[in-house]
Amino acid sequence: SQQGEEDPQALSIQEGENATMNCSYKTSINNLQWYRQNSGRGLVHLILIRSNEREKHSGRLRVTLDTSKKSSSLLITASRAADTASYFCATVVQGGSEKLVFGKGTKLTVNP
Amino acid sequence: EPEVTQTPSHQVTQMGQEVILRCVPISNHLYFYWYRQILGQKVEFLVSFYNNEISEKSEIFDDQFSVERPDGSNFTLKIRSTKLEDSAMYFCAIFGGLARREQYFGPGTRLTVT
Repeated sequence: SQQGEEDPQALSIQEGENATMNCSYKTSINNLQWYRQNSGRGLVHLILIRSNEREKHSGRLRVTLDTSKKSSSLLITASRAADTASYFCATVVQGGSEKLVFGKGTKLTVNP
Repeated sequence: EPEVTQTPSHQVTQMGQEVILRCVPISNHLYFYWYRQILGQKVEFLVSFYNNEISEKSEIFDDQFSVERPDGSNFTLKIRSTKLEDSAMYFCAIFGGLARREQYFGPGTRLTVT
């Protein structure tokens, strides 16, 4: 089964606008982590939210988690051209080895 | 954020050849992960390695793959006989952060099998 499906697959916005990306998953989780990846580069850890948390902030990032709906959202406020990247959610499944299960990602383009 | 380096950054090899990818965390870690990402696809788990033993491996991690910690600091992923479909970015990851539950990734090795 697919775990960690993001939508939209692609998002194009203007600088200064907010960007919202969603992630759904299927199994019970310990935590959910969001990553950013610039084209052809490594994965940068953005934020981790535990299964008993509902919302978390870090700078311009806001992450929510709804375990009843098995979904999470990542909001980037006041976007900048430098935010252009792919964003992935990854879940750590309960009872597992703490491996990350990634979604397919959302490709965000912020136009100057 | 814990620092992880990987070498080489890019490796080109011929089908059937052996390759060794290296991961070097700056500080001492017991838990390591390897992931791969085929171009344009999602990141996939390969193997987790704890205290010098494999703790979990995926279906991708077949007999052609092996992991080692040869000298207590370097952490290697070996592919014995590469196939065209092994072409991908390979990332190692370690735990870090305040709760030590965040996984931090190295910059990756781009493997191209021709």
